[in-house]
Amino acid sequence: SYELTQPPSVSVSPGQTARITCSGDALPKQYAYWYQQKPGQAPVLVIYKDSERPSGIPERFSGSSSGTTVTLTISGVQAEDEADYYCQSADSSGTLFGGGTKLTVL
Amino acid sequence: QVQLQESGPGLVKPSETLSLTCTVSGGSISSYYWSWIRQPPGKGLEWIGYIYYSGSTNYNPSLKSRVTISVDTSKNQFSLKLSSVTAADTAVYYCARERIAAADNWFDPWGQGTLVTVSS
Repeated sequence: SYELTQPPSVSVSPGQTARITCSGDALPKQYAYWYQQKPGQAPVLVIYKDSERPSGIPERFSGSSSGTTVTLTISGVQAEDEADYYCQSADSSGTLFGGGTKLTVL
Repeated sequence: QVQLQESGPGLVKPSETLSLTCTVSGGSISSYYWSWIRQPPGKGLEWIGYIYYSGSTNYNPSLKSRVTISVDTSKNQFSLKLSSVTAADTAVYYCARERIAAADNWFDPWGQGTLVTVSS
């Protein structure tokens, strides 16, 4: 099976744009999904099928895909966006998660 | 909307079997896939496996020899059994509804999670 690689941490100031990447060889063929996890809480789906936003997720969350890399973009970051973010995709054996990225809002 | 709630012992002894149940409310367990996912303290997420309401299953190859997931549609519940546990199985265990479309899958919603500690 392959891996999904994320940077361990990303830091931004409030109001700036945060970009979190996820790389994997199968991503050109498989959709990616993004989850937000705040401390002590369960993950919440924030992006599905690379770039679709579930109802109830703020418009500042967006997703994109290019080759073997998918990107979660948070525009106009707010303090409440500080959390761990995980990408997820699939391979022939089942489900794979990235290692997670801790977003710190300075 | 659909809500999920995990239940089961929070402490399991090494070499014994971990058993958890997920109760689905606000909707039927039928016509969907249902999964278990775990997260060791301070670490990332690991998919354990899923069950379809009809009973078909798919497990993470790394855990397959120790995992059994079952479903009870009459109770709107599904369950996880993980045998021969060690300290490495200490984690928060989440249940989630798995959505599958063609070769893709995702999880929404999730239960709140339950911490299971393996210790004597």
